[in-house]
Amino acid sequence: GAVVSQHPSRVICKSGTSVKIECRSLDFQATTMFWYRQFPKQSLMLMATSNEGSKATYEQGVEKDKFLINHASLTLSTLTVTSAHPEDSSFYICSANPMRGTGNTIYFGEGSWLTVV
Amino acid sequence: SQQGEEDPQALSIQEGENATMNCSYKTSINNLQWYRQNSGRGLVHLILIRSNEREKHSGRLRVTLDTSKKSSSLLITASRAADTASYFCATDYQGAQKLVFGQGTRLTINP
Repeated sequence: GAVVSQHPSRVICKSGTSVKIECRSLDFQATTMFWYRQFPKQSLMLMATSNEGSKATYEQGVEKDKFLINHASLTLSTLTVTSAHPEDSSFYICSANPMRGTGNTIYFGEGSWLTVV
Repeated sequence: SQQGEEDPQALSIQEGENATMNCSYKTSINNLQWYRQNSGRGLVHLILIRSNEREKHSGRLRVTLDTSKKSSSLLITASRAADTASYFCATDYQGAQKLVFGQGTRLTINP
């Protein structure tokens, strides 16, 4: 079964509104989670690193005020797309690693399809 | 950009044939991973190869790694229709848990 759960799997929102996507690690605690965005037929692009108990680290070109990340517990990170626009429509996917260090399997959520109309 | 490249971008073969996908990356790595993604779904981890390994097998999958050329290949033997998906390589960026993905190869297995 899935070890990383995302919710919702699909969401449609009106332009100008905000939408929240949740990423939960089900069987382990994760001090760090990662958020990626994937446009149709393209690869995954890392948006930000979500750090439990501290501010997220954003990749270059990603607006921190538009994509709010909160990592309030060791099993939950949320991504809020604020004032969404049609160009924000994309597949958002999170990942988490149950152990520190390199060389360990990273688990991905099933992703969330966001459509802004 | 740190993102790597994969080729071919698309590959269509007959069921039973072998499929080979290649991946190149730009920075030094600790490990390289291959993932599969069915259309509109999340990623499924296939195999991880460490920088000090040259070849690794898992069932019908064979992965090679050439750190001198900064390249890797994924071979799927005796392909099945269910192998139809996009395949991505990913490297650990600066030794962290975050991954840098290649552009992906869209594999179609024709019955």
